[in-house]
Amino acid sequence: ETGVTQSPTHLIKTRGQQVTLRCSSQSGHNTVSWYQQALGQGPQFIFQYYREEENGRGNFPPRFSGLQFPNYSSELNVNALELDDSALYLCASSFEAQPQHFGDGTRLSIL
Amino acid sequence: QKEVEQNSGPLSVPEGAIASLNCTYSDRGSQSFFWYRQYSGKSPELIMSIYSNGDKEDGRFTAQLNKASQYVSLLIRDSQPSDSATYLCAGTGTASKLTFGTGTRLQVTL
Repeated sequence: ETGVTQSPTHLIKTRGQQVTLRCSSQSGHNTVSWYQQALGQGPQFIFQYYREEENGRGNFPPRFSGLQFPNYSSELNVNALELDDSALYLCASSFEAQPQHFGDGTRLSIL
Repeated sequence: QKEVEQNSGPLSVPEGAIASLNCTYSDRGSQSFFWYRQYSGKSPELIMSIYSNGDKEDGRFTAQLNKASQYVSLLIRDSQPSDSATYLCAGTGTASKLTFGTGTRLQVTL
C-alpha cells in the first residue's frame, strides 16, 4: 500500500513569488486535506478536497488555493508569498471521514 | 480561547514509567478525537483514534475520552526512549477538518 507522498521536500522562495505543492493520496483514499504547521505550533487546517470539490476551508486568505484531480491527487497553490508563509505544509488523505494519514510534508522557506 | 488545548511540556518521565498526556477541547460538536505522534522534523503519525466515551487500548497506548468534561487523554505504559516526541491531540466535527492542539513534548529519560 502506497502512502501519502508530497513534493517537493524543501523549497525556497522569495516574497511575492508563487508556489505549487503537490500531494499524491494514499491508495484507496478519496479525500485530501492540507495543513500549515509553523514552528512550535500544531498543524492549522487550510482546506479539504473531496471528489474534486472543496469541502471546507480554514481561516486562510484566497491567495491559498487548491485543486484535486480525478486520481485524487492534489495541489496547493500559494500566490504573493509572504514571510509568514514559511512553514511545513502537510497533506493528509483519508477515505471519506476515516482517520487522516499525513505525508512527509514540504518545508517552505520564504526569504 | 483555543479550540484544543494541551500543555506544551516538556513532560519528562523515566523509562518504564507511565506517561499521561492530556487535552481539553471547547467545541461540543466535536465527534472524533485523535492522537498523533510527531518526531522532530517529521510529519505527524496517527497512533490512536477514539470516538465514544471511555477507554480504548492498543498495545502500550490507552486513549480516554470524556465528552461531558470535554477531555481527552493518552496513557503510554512502559515508556521507552523511542517514545520521546511531540504528541498532538486533534478533534473533528462534522466537516472532518482536524483541529489540533499545540502538542505536548514528551521526554523519556534513561
